[in-house]
Amino acid sequence: DTGVSQNPRHKITKRGQNVTFRCDPISEHNRLYWYRQTLGQGPEFLTYFQNEAQLEKSRLLSDRFSAERPKGSFSTLEIQRTEQGDSAMYLCASSPHTTDRAGNTIYFGEGSWLTVV
Amino acid sequence: GQNIDQPTEMTATEGAIVQINCTYQTSGFNGLFWYQQHAGEAPTFLSYNVLDGLEEKGRFSSFLSRSKGYSYLLLKELQMKDSASYLCAVCTGGGNKLTFGTGTQLKVEL
Repeated sequence: DTGVSQNPRHKITKRGQNVTFRCDPISEHNRLYWYRQTLGQGPEFLTYFQNEAQLEKSRLLSDRFSAERPKGSFSTLEIQRTEQGDSAMYLCASSPHTTDRAGNTIYFGEGSWLTVV
Repeated sequence: GQNIDQPTEMTATEGAIVQINCTYQTSGFNGLFWYQQHAGEAPTFLSYNVLDGLEEKGRFSSFLSRSKGYSYLLLKELQMKDSASYLCAVCTGGGNKLTFGTGTQLKVEL
């Protein structure tokens, strides 16, 4: 399977605990995105990387959230001191960086469901 | 700010045609995407429009009018498996960041 891979797919954690999600993008895609989605809503942008550089962060990304992409390949999203409001699906996506139209296609992984109890 | 509007729900009959509309007001525009999302699954890419006009791909077509801030997704020969949420998303700024609407939940009935 050469799609965007995320794990774990499901995580249940107690309030106050830290959680980390991993995303492996499509090979050779140098752009990687994190989104958050709650029931009945569209995905909301959190942050994106071009190679290892984190180029933009949403205001939604509080100081409890941190994302890394140390070698420009896989990425991790860590949430510290989780709160019940963090319960959502965390989606990772990737795209190539080219000038043709195909470069603008963004492919999503299957998401990581977080439930904070 | 960014504002993307699409109907919350639509119902259509198997074999029929349905049009899902999307209007947008965004700062910056690098194209408009349509995604299909089944419950509990990831969004799946359907179409991308950056120029005005109609893009056809099998049973799915997407139209864009940049001057009107308007797009629609047309689904023909509806099948039961087309029951899903359809997300309109505008690509803005550098890095192709997507701003999504809340999605249109399409129910296909017999």
